[in-house]
Amino acid sequence: AQSVTQPDIHITVSEGASLELRCNYSYGATPYLFWYVQSPGQGLQLLLKYFSGDTLVQGIKGFEAEFKRSQSSFNLRKPSVHWSDAAEYFCAVGFTSGTYKYIFGTGTRLKVLA
Amino acid sequence: EPEVTQTPSHQVTQMGQEVILRCVPISNHLYFYWYRQILGQKVEFLVSFYNNEISEKSEIFDDQFSVERPDGSNFTLKIRSTKLEDSAMYFCASMTELGNIQYFGAGTRLSVL
Repeated sequence: AQSVTQPDIHITVSEGASLELRCNYSYGATPYLFWYVQSPGQGLQLLLKYFSGDTLVQGIKGFEAEFKRSQSSFNLRKPSVHWSDAAEYFCAVGFTSGTYKYIFGTGTRLKVLA
Repeated sequence: EPEVTQTPSHQVTQMGQEVILRCVPISNHLYFYWYRQILGQKVEFLVSFYNNEISEKSEIFDDQFSVERPDGSNFTLKIRSTKLEDSAMYFCASMTELGNIQYFGAGTRLSVL
């Protein structure tokens, strides 16, 4: 069965520090992979996506993610975190079983220390 | 930039009452979805809707749930008789016919007392 795992429920980093949020998935083929961010009171905003091709993808707000097929991972990174990056981050897999839909990870809540 | 709009942002109801959560998808999108997130748990797929009918529903989506597109713009989720365990954040999403990216609303937090 398809699944998405985000091992870290909470992460705290200092402003200016680098960030890596982990995501592992289980799916028989190459899935469509997404990272979404949710700030308080806001919707799920798409940060970046991977469908095929270059395994390092760039997104909005200075984020990037790398698809590693051998590790079934799609980790999100940012070289220097800003206080405004404090939010909840969701990894998701899009796949078709019946109809096209997403499976989400449990989310990682990021806290940024000034 | 077009966005998915959900109302209300927070709904409080008594157990056994009916609630209707409303969504206005992006105007040229043809696939519509509801997901929910119980506090501390994963965002889960509830139902997909296309061409005025349900395409797929999860095992969570029992007879107490229904969806409707009553006009050309709204997409609603009705819970007929709410239970305590229906308390969750409900997200609406929409997608173009040829796309793979779902666009989400801000969610409706449903609290069943």
